[in-house]
Amino acid sequence: QLVLTQSPSASASLGASVNLTCTLSSGHSSYVIAWHQQQPQKGPRYLMKLHSDGSHSNGDGIPDRFSGSSSGTERYLTISSLQSEDEADYYCQTWGTGIWVFGGGTKLTVL
Amino acid sequence: EVRLVESGGGLVQPGGSLRLSCAASGFTVSNNYMTWVRQAPGKGLEWVSVIYTGGATYYADSVKGRFSISRDNSKNMLYLQMNSLRAEDTAVYYCARGTDSDLWGRGTLVTVSS
Repeated sequence: QLVLTQSPSASASLGASVNLTCTLSSGHSSYVIAWHQQQPQKGPRYLMKLHSDGSHSNGDGIPDRFSGSSSGTERYLTISSLQSEDEADYYCQTWGTGIWVFGGGTKLTVL
Repeated sequence: EVRLVESGGGLVQPGGSLRLSCAASGFTVSNNYMTWVRQAPGKGLEWVSVIYTGGATYYADSVKGRFSISRDNSKNMLYLQMNSLRAEDTAVYYCARGTDSDLWGRGTLVTVSS
């Protein structure tokens, strides 16, 4: 069964970097995922597509401060030079034949 | 401008029906996989349905048999027909483009309550 697992919360200081993790279920290590950001009271915004080899392509207008990497079934979103507007919920998402799957989301607090 | 705009949400009684619309501009709906995703109050994102470029449709188990996704190629529109609505269907409904959901609308709120 295709499942994505995320930690419910994370925090980091203004100007620092943070890594968010999304874990694919066993047997799905080759899957491509996408990362999305949802700021408070707003709709989701596409950040990037992330491949199993760590290659990624940011969406239009997404700054280079947002990057991705991969290791096995782990997919990472790294946000550097944290800004106050980065405080948001972050969701990973993948897809298979006839199914789309979202992780439970990570709430990022910028201290 | 490339964008998606949802409409059609509102208050409906349990057991009722509602049809959501998603207007696309700047790209062709029929050339893309198109999905509906919902978000219940205070909860995370939940995939609802997808329509493939070839017309095949798939649904989450929670809505199978009650919801129906469709598109109108001439109008470049995506739809979600929702029947037998339940309180647990209350959510903001978003349409999104593609396998990686690279474009989202702003959502439309559906409230199921008596």
